[in-house]
Amino acid sequence: NAGVTQTPKFRILKIGQSMTLQCTQDMNHNYMYWYRQDPGMGLKLIYYSVGAGITDKGEVPNGYNVSRSTTEDFPLRLELAAPSQTSVYFCASTHGGVRTEAFFGQGTRLTVV
Amino acid sequence: DAKTTQPTSMDCAEGRAANLPCNHSTISGNEYVYWYRQIHSQGPQYIIHGLKNNETNEMASLIITEDRKSSTLILPHATLRDTAVYYCIVRGRAAGNKLTFGGGTRVLVKP
Repeated sequence: NAGVTQTPKFRILKIGQSMTLQCTQDMNHNYMYWYRQDPGMGLKLIYYSVGAGITDKGEVPNGYNVSRSTTEDFPLRLELAAPSQTSVYFCASTHGGVRTEAFFGQGTRLTVV
Repeated sequence: DAKTTQPTSMDCAEGRAANLPCNHSTISGNEYVYWYRQIHSQGPQYIIHGLKNNETNEMASLIITEDRKSSTLILPHATLRDTAVYYCIVRGRAAGNKLTFGGGTRVLVKP
């Protein structure tokens, strides 16, 4: 299993541009999450999904959108990039249930200039 | 989910046991204690979790006090590769069983 795969690994965007961060998992996990991590800080939850077709906001959803059309994929969309969205983005997945560990991808480092 | 309190940083000697404390005084009965670590801004790596009993796996041991208000992660023989930020997380069933990260403890293993 590849686990949780994120693409791209690095990206530089100009203010106002849009992009989609890709996340896919091959573990047939129901639950998926998007986090962002600013320098020196812990991870903050952006959006999460408990299954295909179901998404919900986390702690910091403004400026982002998500969709979950399949179990495997959970893309994160930035519509109008702003410098405040410069961060490292992590995707995670878990089978479900509070007793099951979550697996994280290796992150996408995004810089908005 | 209950909040956790961890020391900001700590040093430990290579080859010695590293004991990482965590306070979670408002934990409720059905919430689990999870530990993750993050090395060099890589994706967080799962270490161990528990409810009320002590747990051990190939990476670490988790000791939870009887009242469940605090816990200790033990790395039995710290190596230089254990240098990382360690996060103690209380995880419940709310909001997609999410993991809520605090600031963690920055652990530096010294030769």
